[in-house]
Amino acid sequence: GQNIDQPTEMTATEGAIVQINCTYQTSGFNGLFWYQQHAGEAPTFLSYNVLDGLEEKGRFSSFLSRSKGYSYLLLKELQMKDSASYLCAVSPLTSGTYKYIFGTGTRLKVLA
Amino acid sequence: DSGVTQTPKHLITATGQRVTLRCSPRSGDLSVYWYQQSLDQGLQFLIQYYNGEERAKGNILERFSAQQFPDLHSELNLSSLELGDSALYFCASSVEGRNTDTQYFGPGTRLTVL
Repeated sequence: GQNIDQPTEMTATEGAIVQINCTYQTSGFNGLFWYQQHAGEAPTFLSYNVLDGLEEKGRFSSFLSRSKGYSYLLLKELQMKDSASYLCAVSPLTSGTYKYIFGTGTRLKVLA
Repeated sequence: DSGVTQTPKHLITATGQRVTLRCSPRSGDLSVYWYQQSLDQGLQFLIQYYNGEERAKGNILERFSAQQFPDLHSELNLSSLELGDSALYFCASSVEGRNTDTQYFGPGTRLTVL
């Protein structure tokens, strides 16, 4: 089956660093995406990993280990506006279909 | 602003009714996706179109249907509505609809079925 797991909620303090984990089991793998979604708003693209390793983009970094079926999103120098849900999405390598499988998201609360 | 537009923003209707949600993709994008997001649920993929043709189907109910028109806008039709259909419906678009394409999401339509 296809499955993506993320923690439901996390809390961190403004200025701190937080790591949001995502594990997946899919039939094949064609990349992993992270999206940010503020309550009631559209998901917005953060990062895409297809090869093992760390991709850094400003305060946000994303890591992938394909052999472990594992990724994390690292947020540094947390700001109040980072309070949002963070969605992990995997693109499986399934012939004839083109779709993502989304996790249920991790709700991050940043406290002052 | 992702460049994807969706109308209406909010829709309130009664059980048993039928509604149509509309989406216009980003300029240059050929593929459109529809998702449903219920309270405290993840994004559930419904269906994908590429250049007017259906490309992939997810957990879409038989009461729901969609199409993509020659000008690439798409409509999602929901019929015989039930209370459980109340959700946020997102449309996303991508350039070619490949697995590796980034999807850009519209602002969503919030459907409330009373």
